[in-house]
Amino acid sequence: DVKVTQSSRYLVKRTGEKVFLECVQDMDHENMFWYRQDPGLGLRLIYFSYDVKMKEKGDIPEGYSVSREKKERFSLILESASTNQTSMYLCASRVTGDPRMNTEAFFGQGTRLTVV
Amino acid sequence: AQKITQTQPGMFVQEKEAVTLDCTYDTSDPSYGLFWYKQPSSGEMIFLIYQGSYDQQNATEGRYSLNFQKARKSANLVISASQLGDSAMYFCAMREGIRAGGSYIPTFGRGTSLIVHP
Repeated sequence: DVKVTQSSRYLVKRTGEKVFLECVQDMDHENMFWYRQDPGLGLRLIYFSYDVKMKEKGDIPEGYSVSREKKERFSLILESASTNQTSMYLCASRVTGDPRMNTEAFFGQGTRLTVV
Repeated sequence: AQKITQTQPGMFVQEKEAVTLDCTYDTSDPSYGLFWYKQPSSGEMIFLIYQGSYDQQNATEGRYSLNFQKARKSANLVISASQLGDSAMYFCAMREGIRAGGSYIPTFGRGTSLIVHP
C-alpha cells in the first residue's frame, strides 16, 4: 500500500513563527502536492513538485514556500505564520504515469494547524 | 470561475437507499479525467472512482458508480444501498492538461457533506 505520512496531526503555533510541515511518501512518486482545506472552499493547491528540487506555485502560494531535497520528502514552510493560515493541510503524492490512465493521488492524514 | 462545481453543500439519505452527488466541470481540454474522493471525519482522503474522458462506459466500483454525461459536463457519483459508514465529505476532482515534468494537477470541488440516517 502506498503510504503518505505527514509528521503531525495537530499543531499549534504562534503568530510570526516559522512553521515546517513535513510529508514523506514511500512509493517513489515523482509528483507531490500540498493543499489547504477550509470549510466551504474545498482543497486549494498551494504548491506542487514534479521532481527533486523542482516546484511550481499553485493557486494560493502567498505566505508559503516548499522544499524537495529528496524524492520522498516534500516540506511546506510557513515563513511567518499568521492567523489566516489556520487550516487543515493535506499532502498528496502521485506517480507521473500515462495521463490518459487513472493515476489517482494518495493523501496523507492531514495536519490541522492552528495559529494563535 | 470554478473548474469543478459541487452544488450540494449537504445531502441526507436514509440507510439502504441510493443517493446521487452532483458534479459539473469546466474544461476545454479533450483529454481529462474525473475522480471522486471520500473524506471521513478522521480526515484522510480515500479515492473512490475514476472516469477518463475517452472512456466509453460509465465507471463502477462496487456500490459506487459514476454517471458521466460528457455533453453536459457532469460526472455525478451514485452510491447505491447507502450505509452508515458512507457519512463523510465527498469531493469531485478533475485532472486536465499536462504541466511541468509531464505531471498534471488535480483540481477539487468544494465538497458535499453526506449524512446517512439509520
